[in-house]
Amino acid sequence: KAGVTQTPRYLIKTRGQQVTLSCSPISGHRSVSWYQQTPGQGLQFLFEYFSETQRNKGNFPGRFSGRQFSNSRSEMNVSTLELGDSALYLCASSPDTRVTQYFGPGTRLLVL
Amino acid sequence: ELKVEQNPLFLSMQEGKNYTIYCNYSTTSDRLYWYRQDPGKSLESLFVLLSNGAVKQEGRLMASLDTKARLSTLHITAAVHDLSATYFCAVDIDNTDKLIFGTGTRLQVFP
Repeated sequence: KAGVTQTPRYLIKTRGQQVTLSCSPISGHRSVSWYQQTPGQGLQFLFEYFSETQRNKGNFPGRFSGRQFSNSRSEMNVSTLELGDSALYLCASSPDTRVTQYFGPGTRLLVL
Repeated sequence: ELKVEQNPLFLSMQEGKNYTIYCNYSTTSDRLYWYRQDPGKSLESLFVLLSNGAVKQEGRLMASLDTKARLSTLHITAAVHDLSATYFCAVDIDNTDKLIFGTGTRLQVFP
């Protein structure tokens, strides 16, 4: 079974731009969560989608948004990029609620 | 606010030695996860502990959970170089899929 895939793997943007990251969960998984990992703040929860509905949201500004499609694929969008948004963005999927989440390889975003 | 603390943050151990990583969390949760992350890589699931007193073992790693003490441990037995990685514990809160991660413990095993 293929794992969680994320595209692109690497991205360089400049301040003020916006970016869209994509995540394809493991086949059959309905829940997709997004996390941001930085050396200073560690791993932080962004949001979680289940059957196209956002169920949980972390403490991030409104510039961070996401959505999930009917095939469970998910995208997250960051608008008006700031230098502090440079991070590894990890997507995780799980088949249902409160079970192990399986992480993708991540998208490394660098904001200049 | 839920806090998840791990100690030590950094651990350098000799091959063949035993050691324990501790994970404390500040609110009630009946579900705790351990993940491993190699440099530049993603997170790999190691264990999920679902109830008080749960113990799981895989190879040289053994994890346990004490929900009353809000403490989980990851015990390493006879460490080998391949175990060098960063280990994270995570708890979910409010019966959701929102995982709160610990700070991570960077483990280096040397000959």
